[in-house]
Amino acid sequence: GEDVEQSLFLSVREGDSSVINCTYTDSSSTYLYWYKQEPGAGLQLLTYIFSNMDMKQDQRLTVLLNKKDKHLSLRIADTQTGDSAIYFCAELRSYNTDKLIFGTGTRLQVFP
Amino acid sequence: DTEVTQTPKHLVMGMTNKKSLKCEQHMGHRAMYWYKQKAKKPPELMFVYSYEKLSINESVPSRFSPECPNSSLLNLHLHALQPEDSALYLCASSRSGGGNTEAFFGQGTRLTVV
Repeated sequence: GEDVEQSLFLSVREGDSSVINCTYTDSSSTYLYWYKQEPGAGLQLLTYIFSNMDMKQDQRLTVLLNKKDKHLSLRIADTQTGDSAIYFCAELRSYNTDKLIFGTGTRLQVFP
Repeated sequence: DTEVTQTPKHLVMGMTNKKSLKCEQHMGHRAMYWYKQKAKKPPELMFVYSYEKLSINESVPSRFSPECPNSSLLNLHLHALQPEDSALYLCASSRSGGGNTEAFFGQGTRLTVV
């Protein structure tokens, strides 16, 4: 189908690692992204990975890509209360024009 | 500068009003997008402009009319909206075609139709 799937909710203790998962649909997608959205705000681009990579690390963020299974994950190390937000994965489908399709979103709640 | 600026931040309009949402970027991006986001849902693509030409219209009702007057500006003209059109409207931009295509989003316009 067309949907990019994510689990709805994740709750972690401050200082632990968080892992947010995403299953996308289009094997020809060139880029895959992670966005963060805080309440009432727009989308903040956190990181992205090109489809020929299997891992990318950016400070506390690690992105893993399993292209065979069309599975993407975002690991946040040392999760802080300020990381509480909704996280969206997105896939870039490039045919005649770039089209960014978002996952269903995962609400991350960090408790002390 | 990786900023996409949207105005206004909030808008309340009646069903007979005509209003416009504005979006501006100065990153030299040639692709610009309008997304609609309902509460607790992911953003849904409405329109894509590439090199100032409309390239994707995701079957959006004609009461929404996009316009791209130049490579830095994107407007969304609103007329005769319905209460169910109330949502957060997000603008985004990216380099069009090939290479690194990070898409940057504005903070959105929260629209309420009464």
